[in-house]
Amino acid sequence: DIVMTQGVLPNPVPSGESASITCRSSKSLVYKDGKTYLNWFLQRPGQSPQLLTYWMSTRASGVSDRFSGSGSGTYFTLKISRVRAEDAGVYYCQQVREYPLTFGSGTKLEIK
Amino acid sequence: EGQLVESGGGLVEPGRSLKLSCAASGFTFSNYVMDWVRQAPKKGLEWVASISTGGGNTYYPDSVKGRFTISRDNAKSTLYLQMNSLRSEDTATYYCAAVKTGFDYWGQGVMVTVSS
Repeated sequence: DIVMTQGVLPNPVPSGESASITCRSSKSLVYKDGKTYLNWFLQRPGQSPQLLTYWMSTRASGVSDRFSGSGSGTYFTLKISRVRAEDAGVYYCQQVREYPLTFGSGTKLEIK
Repeated sequence: EGQLVESGGGLVEPGRSLKLSCAASGFTFSNYVMDWVRQAPKKGLEWVASISTGGGNTYYPDSVKGRFTISRDNAKSTLYLQMNSLRSEDTATYYCAAVKTGFDYWGQGVMVTVSS
Protein backbone atom coordinates (compact mmCIF):
# COMPACT_ATOMS: atom_id res chain seq x y z
CA ASP A 1 0.00 0.00 0.00
CA ILE A 2 1.13 3.57 -0.70
CA VAL A 3 1.83 5.41 2.56
CA MET A 4 1.03 9.12 2.68
CA THR A 5 2.94 11.19 5.24
CA GLN A 6 1.89 14.75 6.05
CA GLY A 7 3.87 17.48 7.77
CA VAL A 8 2.92 19.61 10.74
CA LEU A 9 2.20 23.34 10.65
CA PRO A 10 3.63 25.81 13.18
CA ASN A 11 0.23 26.89 14.46
CA PRO A 12 -1.39 29.33 14.74
CA VAL A 13 -0.75 31.09 11.43
CA PRO A 14 -1.43 34.85 11.45
CA SER A 15 -4.28 35.96 9.25
CA GLY A 16 -2.97 37.31 5.94
CA GLU A 17 0.19 35.20 6.01
CA SER A 18 0.89 32.18 3.81
CA ALA A 19 0.91 28.55 4.91
CA SER A 20 2.41 25.53 3.16
CA ILE A 21 1.29 21.99 3.92
CA THR A 22 3.50 19.11 2.85
CA CYS A 23 2.70 15.54 1.89
CA ARG A 24 5.01 12.72 0.88
CA SER A 25 4.10 9.42 -0.79
CA SER A 26 6.01 6.13 -0.50
CA LYS A 27 5.68 5.58 -4.25
CA SER A 28 5.46 7.85 -7.27
CA LEU A 29 1.92 9.02 -7.97
CA VAL A 30 2.62 9.73 -11.64
CA TYR A 31 0.59 7.47 -13.90
CA LYS A 32 1.45 6.46 -17.48
CA ASP A 33 -0.85 9.22 -18.78
CA GLY A 34 1.52 11.78 -17.24
CA LYS A 35 -0.93 12.94 -14.57
CA THR A 36 -0.07 12.92 -10.88
CA TYR A 37 -2.93 11.36 -8.93
CA LEU A 38 -2.91 13.37 -5.75
CA ASN A 39 -5.93 15.10 -4.17
CA TRP A 40 -6.07 17.72 -1.42
CA PHE A 41 -9.08 18.19 0.87
CA LEU A 42 -10.09 20.57 3.63
CA GLN A 43 -12.32 19.40 6.44
CA ARG A 44 -13.65 22.26 8.50
CA PRO A 45 -14.84 21.47 12.04
CA GLY A 46 -18.12 19.58 11.99
CA GLN A 47 -18.24 19.41 8.19
CA SER A 48 -17.63 16.89 5.43
CA PRO A 49 -14.34 17.03 3.55
CA GLN A 50 -14.19 19.41 0.58
CA LEU A 51 -12.09 18.78 -2.52
CA LEU A 52 -9.54 21.55 -3.08
CA THR A 53 -7.28 20.22 -5.84
CA TYR A 54 -6.93 17.09 -7.97
CA TRP A 55 -4.22 15.82 -10.35
CA MET A 56 -1.85 17.50 -7.85
CA SER A 57 -2.38 21.06 -9.04
CA THR A 58 -5.82 21.51 -10.66
CA ARG A 59 -8.18 23.50 -8.46
CA ALA A 60 -11.67 22.10 -8.01
CA SER A 61 -14.65 24.13 -9.15
CA GLY A 62 -15.32 27.14 -6.95
CA VAL A 63 -12.07 26.86 -4.99
CA SER A 64 -10.24 30.13 -4.35
CA ASP A 65 -7.04 30.79 -6.29
CA ARG A 66 -5.39 31.36 -2.91
CA PHE A 67 -5.02 27.55 -2.87
CA SER A 68 -2.31 26.09 -5.09
CA GLY A 69 -0.97 22.58 -5.31
CA SER A 70 2.48 21.65 -6.56
CA GLY A 71 5.09 18.93 -6.28
CA SER A 72 6.99 16.11 -7.89
CA GLY A 73 6.10 12.40 -8.10
CA THR A 74 6.47 11.78 -4.37
CA TYR A 75 6.65 15.15 -2.62
CA PHE A 76 3.74 17.58 -2.64
CA THR A 77 2.84 20.98 -1.26
CA LEU A 78 -0.45 22.78 -0.82
CA LYS A 79 0.15 26.50 -0.45
CA ILE A 80 -2.50 28.76 1.02
CA SER A 81 -1.91 32.44 0.35
CA ARG A 82 -3.27 35.21 2.59
CA VAL A 83 -4.90 32.82 5.04
CA ARG A 84 -8.32 33.69 6.41
CA ALA A 85 -10.33 32.46 9.37
CA GLU A 86 -12.44 30.30 7.02
CA ASP A 87 -9.32 28.32 6.03
CA ALA A 88 -9.07 26.78 9.50
CA GLY A 89 -9.51 23.03 9.71
CA VAL A 90 -7.71 19.80 8.87
CA TYR A 91 -6.10 19.32 5.46
CA TYR A 92 -5.71 15.84 3.98
CA CYS A 93 -3.78 14.60 1.00
CA GLN A 94 -4.95 11.45 -0.77
CA GLN A 95 -3.37 9.28 -3.43
CA VAL A 96 -5.66 7.89 -6.11
CA ARG A 97 -2.84 6.41 -8.19
CA GLU A 98 -3.73 2.85 -7.22
CA TYR A 99 -5.92 0.79 -4.94
CA PRO A 100 -6.14 0.74 -2.01
CA LEU A 101 -6.64 4.49 -1.99
CA THR A 102 -4.90 6.07 1.00
CA PHE A 103 -5.05 9.35 2.89
CA GLY A 104 -2.45 11.20 4.87
CA SER A 105 -3.09 11.56 8.59
CA GLY A 106 -4.10 15.21 8.24
CA THR A 107 -2.53 18.59 9.00
CA LYS A 108 -4.34 21.00 11.27
CA LEU A 109 -4.36 24.70 10.40
CA GLU A 110 -5.25 27.24 13.05
CA ILE A 111 -5.57 30.93 12.29
CA LYS A 112 -4.54 33.75 14.62
CA GLU B 1 -24.65 21.27 -7.75
CA GLY B 2 -24.48 17.64 -6.75
CA GLN B 3 -26.00 16.43 -3.52
CA LEU B 4 -25.53 13.18 -1.63
CA VAL B 5 -27.61 12.09 1.36
CA GLU B 6 -26.63 9.05 3.43
CA SER B 7 -29.00 7.04 5.59
CA GLY B 8 -29.19 3.76 7.47
CA GLY B 9 -26.72 4.36 10.26
CA GLY B 10 -27.24 3.59 13.93
CA LEU B 11 -26.21 1.45 16.87
CA VAL B 12 -25.53 -2.22 16.13
CA GLU B 13 -24.05 -5.08 18.14
CA PRO B 14 -20.71 -6.64 17.18
CA GLY B 15 -21.13 -9.38 14.62
CA ARG B 16 -24.38 -7.99 13.24
CA SER B 17 -25.09 -6.36 9.88
CA LEU B 18 -26.13 -2.94 8.65
CA LYS B 19 -26.83 -1.49 5.21
CA LEU B 20 -26.13 2.13 4.36
CA SER B 21 -27.72 4.02 1.48
CA CYS B 22 -26.65 7.16 -0.32
CA ALA B 23 -29.18 9.01 -2.49
CA ALA B 24 -27.73 11.22 -5.22
CA SER B 25 -29.25 14.21 -7.00
CA GLY B 26 -28.13 17.18 -9.07
CA PHE B 27 -25.70 15.27 -11.29
CA THR B 28 -25.68 12.28 -13.64
CA PHE B 29 -25.10 9.52 -11.09
CA SER B 30 -24.29 6.84 -13.66
CA ASN B 31 -21.32 8.84 -14.96
CA TYR B 32 -19.53 8.91 -11.61
CA VAL B 33 -17.42 6.34 -9.82
CA MET B 34 -18.76 6.15 -6.26
CA ASP B 35 -16.89 5.62 -3.04
CA TRP B 36 -17.39 5.21 0.70
CA VAL B 37 -14.98 6.87 3.12
CA ARG B 38 -15.17 6.63 6.91
CA GLN B 39 -13.86 8.60 9.84
CA ALA B 40 -13.59 7.13 13.32
CA PRO B 41 -14.26 9.58 16.18
CA LYS B 42 -11.47 12.17 16.41
CA LYS B 43 -9.48 10.32 13.71
CA GLY B 44 -8.55 10.82 10.08
CA LEU B 45 -10.16 9.70 6.85
CA GLU B 46 -10.09 6.07 5.70
CA TRP B 47 -11.19 4.90 2.25
CA VAL B 48 -13.62 1.98 2.50
CA ALA B 49 -14.85 1.01 -0.97
CA SER B 50 -15.12 2.05 -4.62
CA ILE B 51 -17.46 0.97 -7.41
CA SER B 52 -17.17 1.65 -11.12
CA THR B 53 -19.83 3.54 -13.06
CA GLY B 54 -21.57 0.40 -14.26
CA GLY B 55 -21.08 -1.52 -11.03
CA GLY B 56 -18.94 -4.23 -12.56
CA ASN B 57 -15.76 -3.42 -10.66
CA THR B 58 -15.44 -3.00 -6.91
CA TYR B 59 -12.44 -2.36 -4.67
CA TYR B 60 -11.84 -2.59 -0.91
CA PRO B 61 -9.00 -2.22 1.55
CA ASP B 62 -8.00 -5.33 3.49
CA SER B 63 -9.66 -3.95 6.64
CA VAL B 64 -13.16 -4.53 5.20
CA LYS B 65 -12.62 -6.97 2.34
CA GLY B 66 -14.92 -9.97 2.67
CA ARG B 67 -17.19 -8.19 5.17
CA PHE B 68 -18.39 -5.09 3.26
CA THR B 69 -20.06 -4.98 -0.16
CA ILE B 70 -20.55 -1.84 -2.21
CA SER B 71 -23.28 -1.75 -4.83
CA ARG B 72 -25.27 0.78 -6.83
CA ASP B 73 -28.61 1.18 -8.59
CA ASN B 74 -28.15 3.67 -11.40
CA ALA B 75 -31.87 3.73 -12.16
CA LYS B 76 -32.48 4.96 -8.61
CA SER B 77 -29.31 7.07 -8.36
CA THR B 78 -28.51 5.30 -5.14
CA LEU B 79 -25.33 3.82 -3.68
CA TYR B 80 -25.25 1.13 -0.99
CA LEU B 81 -22.84 -0.33 1.52
CA GLN B 82 -23.72 -3.69 3.04
CA MET B 83 -21.69 -4.18 6.20
CA ASN B 84 -21.53 -7.65 7.74
CA SER B 85 -19.68 -9.08 10.74
CA LEU B 86 -19.32 -5.61 12.20
CA ARG B 87 -16.57 -4.92 14.72
CA SER B 88 -16.03 -2.18 17.27
CA GLU B 89 -13.30 -0.73 15.03
CA ASP B 90 -15.92 -0.11 12.32
CA THR B 91 -17.44 2.60 14.52
CA ALA B 92 -17.21 5.77 12.43
CA THR B 93 -19.00 8.38 10.40
CA TYR B 94 -19.46 6.99 6.90
CA TYR B 95 -19.41 9.36 3.93
CA CYS B 96 -20.35 8.59 0.37
CA ALA B 97 -18.49 10.48 -2.35
CA ALA B 98 -18.91 10.93 -6.10
CA VAL B 99 -15.72 10.75 -8.13
CA LYS B 100 -15.13 12.24 -11.58
CA THR B 101 -11.83 14.04 -11.53
CA GLY B 102 -11.41 14.13 -7.75
CA PHE B 103 -13.76 13.21 -4.91
CA ASP B 104 -16.04 15.93 -6.19
CA TYR B 105 -19.16 15.58 -4.05
CA TRP B 106 -19.52 14.38 -0.46
CA GLY B 107 -22.52 13.56 1.66
CA GLN B 108 -23.01 14.89 5.18
CA GLY B 109 -22.11 11.53 6.68
CA VAL B 110 -23.97 8.94 8.73
CA MET B 111 -22.83 7.59 12.10
CA VAL B 112 -22.39 3.87 12.68
CA THR B 113 -21.71 2.70 16.23
CA VAL B 114 -20.77 -0.91 16.86
CA SER B 115 -21.18 -1.73 20.53
CA SER B 116 -22.87 -4.22 22.81
